[in-house]
Amino acid sequence: DIVMTQSPDSLAVSLGERATIHCKSSQRVLYTSTNKNSLTWYQQKPGLPPKLLIYWASTRESGVPDRFSGSGSGTDFTLTISSLQAEDVAVYYCQQSYTTPTFGQGTRLEIK
Amino acid sequence: QVQLVQSGPEVKKPGASVKVSCKASGYTFTTYFIHWLRQAPGQGPEWMGVINPSAGTTTYAPKFQGRVTMTGDTFTSTVYMELSSLRSEDTAVYYCARDRVSSSTALSYEFDPWGQGTVVSVTS
Repeated sequence: DIVMTQSPDSLAVSLGERATIHCKSSQRVLYTSTNKNSLTWYQQKPGLPPKLLIYWASTRESGVPDRFSGSGSGTDFTLTISSLQAEDVAVYYCQQSYTTPTFGQGTRLEIK
Repeated sequence: QVQLVQSGPEVKKPGASVKVSCKASGYTFTTYFIHWLRQAPGQGPEWMGVINPSAGTTTYAPKFQGRVTMTGDTFTSTVYMELSSLRSEDTAVYYCARDRVSSSTALSYEFDPWGQGTVVSVTS
């Protein structure tokens, strides 16, 4: 299985500031035939199921605010929240779909 | 709107089986694959397998092969996940989730939306 490792495990950011979460895969998740990375980001708030934010590493799902952006390719990926809002407090997960799906351990984002 | 509504919490003894349901609405049931995932306390989700509700075909994660069975009922737009030989490590929230793209294209293994989750506790 591909192992997904996120950093940091937790993060505290002031309102309005930038939050950056990293995700590293144990092998490349880039489909060379389509030039798309099989990397998805989810947001999970307490007591709720995960919500899909970004797929193909950088394509925002419909309805997701544009302060959320994804970048990276190959094995190294980043989720950025450009200006943190109170409602962004959550745990964020990355997931690869290149092979049998696997998730990272999660990054807990809090307000400083 | 698209909704997946799951059955209620379950408490089971080790060695027993559990069957969780997931009723879909707001779209044509047979046009999207449905996945099952679980999430143990404090951990990331874990993919268990996927069912094509139209054909009834399934693919299971190797870890669960032989212990999980996924079925579907097109008349009630409901899919089921049964896990047998339960042990304490199976205590988790179990989710169904729709594949992001319709089954007329390739399976994406991206999950959107998710059901509300079903708590399964395995305790003696």
